Amino acid sequence: GENVEQHPSTLSVQEGDSAVIKCTYSDSASNYFPWYKQELGKRPQLIIDIRSNVGEKKDQRIAVTLNKTAKHFSLHITETQPEDSAVYFCAASIRTSYDKVIFGPGTSLSVIP
Amino acid sequence: DGGITQSPKYLFRKEGQNVTLSCEQNLNHDAMYWYRQDPGQGLRLIYYSQIVNDFQKGDIAEGYSVSREKKESFPLTVTSAQKNPTAFYLCASSSDGYSGNTIYFGEGSWLTVV
Repeated sequence: GENVEQHPSTLSVQEGDSAVIKCTYSDSASNYFPWYKQELGKRPQLIIDIRSNVGEKKDQRIAVTLNKTAKHFSLHITETQPEDSAVYFCAASIRTSYDKVIFGPGTSLSVIP
Repeated sequence: DGGITQSPKYLFRKEGQNVTLSCEQNLNHDAMYWYRQDPGQGLRLIYYSQIVNDFQKGDIAEGYSVSREKKESFPLTVTSAQKNPTAFYLCASSSDGYSGNTIYFGEGSWLTVV
C-alpha cells in the first residue's frame, strides 16, 4: 500500500546552519508533495509544495527538491532561525476517488541559538 | 486556513460517553476531513467527505461517526466504542478533494478521557 517515510525523526542544528529533511514514497502515481510545519499544540500549516512536473521549488529560505525516479523528495531550510523550530511533515498525494494525502511521521527540528 | 473553526478546543469525556467535535468552514470548500494525531505521532485519517451528504471511512474509522448535512459543517462524534480516544483531533478542508489541492487545517481539538 501507499507509504511515506521521513528521516530523520529528530534534527538539531545551530542557528544559521542548514537543515535537510528527506522523504520517500512508495506509490509511483503520487503527483503532489506538500510540506507542513506544526508548532507545539497548533495546527499544521503548509509551507511549500511541489508537483510532479517540477524538480525544484524555492521560497526564500525554504526549498524542496523532487526525484521522481527515486521516489524521494527533500526539504531544505537555509540560514535557520529559532522560529524554525517545529515538527515538519512531508506528504504525498495521489489521485484516487478523493484527494488521498498520506503524511510522513514527522521530523522534530530544533534550532539552537 | 483561518476559515476553519473547531470547537471546543478542549474536551473531557467520561467512560461510556459519546462526544461530538464541531467543525465549520467558510472557505466554500467541497471536501472536508478529520485527522487524529497522537503525541509525537503523525496524522491519521478518520473520515473524509467530498460532497454534501456523502462521506467515506479513512484508515481509523472504528469508533467514530460523522455527518455532512451542510457544505460548511462536518461534525465528528467519538463514540463509546472508541477505546482510546485521548488525542488531538484536526479538521481540514480542500477545495474539491482532488489531488494537488492544498489541505487547510483547523486549530484542533484536544480530547481527554477522564
